[in-house]
Amino acid sequence: ETGVTQTPRHLVMGMTNKKSLKCEQHLGHNAMYWYKQSAKKPLELMFVYNFKEQTENNSVPSRFSPECPNSSHLFLHLHTLQPEDSALYLCASSYSGGLRPEQYFGPGTRLTVT
Amino acid sequence: LAKTTQPISMDSYEGQEVNITCSHNNIATNDYITWYQQFPSQGPRFIIQGYKTKVTNEVASLFIPADRKSSTLSLPRVSLSDTAVYYCLVGDKDDMRFGAGTRLTVKP
Repeated sequence: ETGVTQTPRHLVMGMTNKKSLKCEQHLGHNAMYWYKQSAKKPLELMFVYNFKEQTENNSVPSRFSPECPNSSHLFLHLHTLQPEDSALYLCASSYSGGLRPEQYFGPGTRLTVT
Repeated sequence: LAKTTQPISMDSYEGQEVNITCSHNNIATNDYITWYQQFPSQGPRFIIQGYKTKVTNEVASLFIPADRKSSTLSLPRVSLSDTAVYYCLVGDKDDMRFGAGTRLTVKP
């Protein structure tokens, strides 16, 4: 238990569906992250939020839309995904500011796009 | 952004000490060195972090030479449950990039 929860843990969706992934952290952190981990690939950083403001978007396709309503919650809205988007989506959080990059990860959402 | 290079895989036996070395020749002055462990279908878990010299916690030790161009994660007396992928990261919190990691397999 890392203090970061993600729901759902597993999701199967068609290419025309719209779904959302949710992340919540109970650690008092003020930075939150979305990562994508495809099979046999390194983790890819997708989005970074510091104090609810998006500070990084690593050329992620617009079919992925993040939302950070407050420092404890992070969403990833999904629409018209492709089969190659099937992956483990991981959320992480950390303290913002300073130079110590210890991130706490959630258990991930296993997404399958059919 | 400093790139890291680690061995793709390593094998060990229970009870042995395992040392995984990471090269990061272009490390910047402000960069910390951080190691994570990841089990299948789980998020990475922080193991240890350092800036220079040696850091030790209840799980591992991290050795960093004076030039900081490499680092070595040392796991004492590994067990079967230490079988995982180990990632070396260099950077500050908003510029961390995970590489392919080192897949450690501990055998009985």
